[in-house]
Amino acid sequence: SAVISQKPSRDICQRGTSLTIQCQVDSQVTMMFWYRQQPGQSLTLIATANQGSEATYESGFVIDKFPISRPNLTFSTLTVSNMSPEDSSIYLCSVSALNEQFFGPGTRLTVL
Amino acid sequence: DAKTTQPNSMESNEEEPVHLPCNHSTISGTDYIHWYRQLPSQGPEYVIHGLTSNVNNRMASLAIAEDRKSSTLILHRATLRDAAVYYCILRGRNNAGNMLTFGGGTRLMVKP
Repeated sequence: SAVISQKPSRDICQRGTSLTIQCQVDSQVTMMFWYRQQPGQSLTLIATANQGSEATYESGFVIDKFPISRPNLTFSTLTVSNMSPEDSSIYLCSVSALNEQFFGPGTRLTVL
Repeated sequence: DAKTTQPNSMESNEEEPVHLPCNHSTISGTDYIHWYRQLPSQGPEYVIHGLTSNVNNRMASLAIAEDRKSSTLILHRATLRDAAVYYCILRGRNNAGNMLTFGGGTRLMVKP
């Protein structure tokens, strides 16, 4: 199994600012992902965080808005840039291991 | 990955069995059927998965139709703690280790 922690657990931010979310895993993993869950909705994949190379973004998500770092096999960051109220969501880090995918507790972001 | 269809919501009484259906008529021969659930204010967690045969674990049972076009997640005795959104997800054998694609899921409400 994999235990994932995220920081911060929640934040309230002003529009136009940026927030960096950290994800720490207790073991080395190859596959690490970032998801977004808008209020009352299901999870949507933002990108796959690749170690040693640029992240792979899903349709509708761009690097300028959601820059991602993956410096090693246990850590990643997601930045939500130039925030607007539409970015208010829960952001979840996830890793894949064998037949199972593990999720962090999420970061609840509110943009005013 | 192929699409799944689930009811938006279901209700159950505490200590009664719950059968959560999932239709996946376009499933391919190499797709595994995975179930995850998301408790309130938490990230999703793995419940069970299977390919063709019915599967049991400490959390639930998975009944897979003979033609594999549908499956049912069975909670044998629902508790209040089982109130969650349950996601049925197909994952191709060739995508093992890659990200999950979430549909709408079924919101299960458990009444005392």
